[in-house]
Amino acid sequence: EAQVTQNPRYLITVTGKKLTVTCSQNMNHEYMSWYRQDPGLGLRQIYYSMNVEVTDKGDVPEGYKVSRKEKRNFPLILESPSPNQTSLYFCASSPRQGFYGYTFGSGTRLTVV
Amino acid sequence: SQKIEQNSEALNIQEGKTATLTCNYTNYSPAYLQWYRQDPGRGPVFLLLIRENEKEKRKERLKVTFDTTLKQSLFHITASQPADSATYLCALDSAGAGSYQLTFGKGTKLSVIP
Repeated sequence: EAQVTQNPRYLITVTGKKLTVTCSQNMNHEYMSWYRQDPGLGLRQIYYSMNVEVTDKGDVPEGYKVSRKEKRNFPLILESPSPNQTSLYFCASSPRQGFYGYTFGSGTRLTVV
Repeated sequence: SQKIEQNSEALNIQEGKTATLTCNYTNYSPAYLQWYRQDPGRGPVFLLLIRENEKEKRKERLKVTFDTTLKQSLFHITASQPADSATYLCALDSAGAGSYQLTFGKGTKLSVIP
């Protein structure tokens, strides 16, 4: 089944403890992206990647890192999480930016205490 | 990135009627515009994409229009059903500003009343 898989689905962590949220797609998509969704603020783009080794900042990149070493994987790294990073996170992919819609993962609900 | 406004936070309509949702943008013209459906706690699901040189796109009971002069897209669901109740998001690219971002509006929550 064609899909975007995120792990974990739920995560509670403490301030300052490094964590990684994984994202993997099995559709050979070039474009991948991370979003966070907060009540009243909607979906905001954190980082995106046009292809392997090509990444760029979205609207809210502070406090996050990404890497794209392989086409299928696009992990989101929080090196020192803070409570304001408590949010619902979505990974998404697309065959190519601009011509196709995105396929979204099921989401990761992160709580930082 | 784009500034996007989806006019209604919430829209209630009677089953069988046509729901019309609005998406307005205020910065540069996007090359394309997308509409998604999102159910509570789940990831958005892609519905339709329309390009700047297209006036209208249809898929089953869904219709999207794109007016670059008015900087507006309308999303219609005809013969609406309770199962259409969800939040609908529009999204626009930033190609006009030389970026590859896709920016989402805050969404309109549609409730179809039986």
